[in-house]
Amino acid sequence: SQQGEEDPQALSIQEGENATMNCSYKTSINNLQWYRQNSGRGLVHLILIRSNEREKHSGRLRVTLDTSKKSSSLLITASRAADTASYFCATGPAGGTSYGKLTFGQGTILTVHP
Amino acid sequence: DTGVSQDPRHKITKRGQNVTFRCDPISEHNRLYWYRQTLGQGPEFLTYFQNEAQLEKSRLLSDRFSAERPKGSFSTLEIQRTEQGDSAMYLCASNQGGTSGNGQFFGPGTRLTVL
Repeated sequence: SQQGEEDPQALSIQEGENATMNCSYKTSINNLQWYRQNSGRGLVHLILIRSNEREKHSGRLRVTLDTSKKSSSLLITASRAADTASYFCATGPAGGTSYGKLTFGQGTILTVHP
Repeated sequence: DTGVSQDPRHKITKRGQNVTFRCDPISEHNRLYWYRQTLGQGPEFLTYFQNEAQLEKSRLLSDRFSAERPKGSFSTLEIQRTEQGDSAMYLCASNQGGTSGNGQFFGPGTRLTVL
């Protein structure tokens, strides 16, 4: 079963613009992660934010987490054509022995036009 | 290349046949995960191992599915009596487990087509 829902399902922008994707989830989490998937490189881990963090940056990526609203957003600044891919949020559950397992959302398809 | 590898990359089989997939994780990683992904969906968790111990299995993993990691290194996923609904991409991932969670490194996947 899918934990979260991502919004929008598809996003089309021009190179240089910013892209924002949102993720909502249902249960308590230990962490939330974002992954990118394209046909060339498979599924790649981008960034992880822990439940006690509110914002995290990595290069052109900015992730926010609001545990009270059970939501997260991923911002990609100054997008490039190479950012074209599907982006998935994935949650790691709180507590117990399941904390390694991830539950993925359905993804946002990002297209960046040169 | 020291990433996660999976074999085969593609498998076409007839309904009712058994298939086995192999995953070789990054060597120093103690955790290994199997996921299944169908077109247009995110990956769905199947099972995971810490070293050789299978710690959790999803209810998606029916009794036709079995996974092993006998020496805590590579893992195999076997599907018996395949059905058309088993057609999917089977992904393996690994990481070094920790109490606060770590990113997972994914292999390229094995695409299964059941005719």
